[in-house]
Amino acid sequence: SQQGEEDPQALSIQEGENATMNCSYKTSINNLQWYRQNSGRGLVHLILIRSNEREKHSGRLRVTLDTSKKSSSLLITASRAADTASYFCATRNDTGANSKLTFGKGITLSVRP
Amino acid sequence: GAGVSQTPSNKVTEKGKYVELRCDPISGHTALYWYRQSLGQGPEFLIYFQGTGAADDSGLPNDRFFAVRPEGSVSTLKIQRTERGDSAVYLCASSLSGLFNEQFFGPGTRLTVL
Repeated sequence: SQQGEEDPQALSIQEGENATMNCSYKTSINNLQWYRQNSGRGLVHLILIRSNEREKHSGRLRVTLDTSKKSSSLLITASRAADTASYFCATRNDTGANSKLTFGKGITLSVRP
Repeated sequence: GAGVSQTPSNKVTEKGKYVELRCDPISGHTALYWYRQSLGQGPEFLIYFQGTGAADDSGLPNDRFFAVRPEGSVSTLKIQRTERGDSAVYLCASSLSGLFNEQFFGPGTRLTVL
C-alpha cells in the first residue's frame, strides 16, 4: 500500500518559474525523502529530511516538513526544462536500520521552455 | 564505481512461464531492495535483504514470488507461473546500512506478461 499522496498530480509551468509540490502521509515517520524519475525508469534521490527537521535546502531545492499536519512540500526554484520528470515523496516509518521506503503515486512536472 | 545494474532491461514472457530478474548492487552495499512499479503508480516495496538474508519480505504479493541473494551481492527475483497482472517495472535499489542512507536505484526491468 502507498502511504504518501502527492498534490497536484500534474503540474505544468514555464521555465524560470518556481514549482511547488506537496505530499501528505498517514502514519508517523522517521524521515521523508523526495525522488525524481525520468521516463518511468530509475529513481534519483533528491533530498532527505528527518522528522525532527522543519526545512532543508539543496541547491535549487527546498523541502519543508510539518509533522503535525503530516505533510511535506518540495519547492524547485528557477525551474529548467531539464526538471521535467515525475517526483515522488517516500517515507521511512520505523527505526529499523534498513527499513523500506513507502512511496506516493507521484507528481508529473512539465517545464515548458 | 558503477551504479546499480539490472538485467534484462526488458522481458516479454507468456502467461504461466517462469522468469528471473537480476540485480547487481553497488559494491559494498549491504542492503538490497526490490520494488515493483505499475504504470502511473509509485514504486511498491517487495523485499529487502541485509547481507544474504531476507530481512523483510512482507511486500511479496504471493508465493509465486521469491528472491535470493546467496553471496550477499547479486540478487535474483524469481516469478513462477507468471500472470498478466505481474506486468510492471521491477526496480532494484541498494544502500549502505543505516536509516538515513540514500537508496540508489537501478534502471529497472520492464516485465510484460502476454
